[in-house]
Amino acid sequence: EAGVVQSPRYKIIEKKQPVAFWCNPISGHNTLYWYRQNLGQGPELLIRYENEEAVDDSQLPKDRFSAERLKGVDSTLKIQPAELGDSAVYLCASSLDDSDTQYFGPGTRLTVL
Amino acid sequence: GENVEQHPSTLSVQEGDSAVIKCTYSDSASNYFPWYKQELGKRPQLIIDIRSNVGEKKDQRIAVTLNKTAKHFSLHITETQPEDSAVYFCAASYDMRFGAGTRLTVKP
Repeated sequence: EAGVVQSPRYKIIEKKQPVAFWCNPISGHNTLYWYRQNLGQGPELLIRYENEEAVDDSQLPKDRFSAERLKGVDSTLKIQPAELGDSAVYLCASSLDDSDTQYFGPGTRLTVL
Repeated sequence: GENVEQHPSTLSVQEGDSAVIKCTYSDSASNYFPWYKQELGKRPQLIIDIRSNVGEKKDQRIAVTLNKTAKHFSLHITETQPEDSAVYFCAASYDMRFGAGTRLTVKP
């Protein structure tokens, strides 16, 4: 069974540029999570989807971050415009439903110059 | 929302000794408590989890205990090996909040 797939794995951009990350969850997993992980810290939940509905986006900086999960499968996380402080690893995870085992993707390491 | 505190932030043990990492949570609605191991540059990997209807769970050298009344849970690693060296994170299911992590170093 394929795991959670993320792309790109690495991204370097200049501040004020837009950037987008893509995630393909494990087949059949209804719940999808986007996390941001800063160096030396635990993952911070940005948004959680149940199928195509965003059920928890309280930690998402909505002035510059947006996300979508069309058809309840793949998801895209966008930052526009990016700031220096957005440099981090963006992790996607999926689970059968909430309160079930989460499986993480390899992450996208974003560097904003 | 949920608040998860994890201690200690760093832990160094000799090979063969035991290691214990503790987490507390704030929201009684949390009912699922996973532990993840993350090696440098890699994704978090689930090592063990526990649900609120169980007080203890064991998998070979790893065990987790849960005290719902006190709202804390702990990871126990016995007979530690150098390959156990990594950062360990706890999490609580309500809001899926993670602890800040514990860097475990096992000295050969």
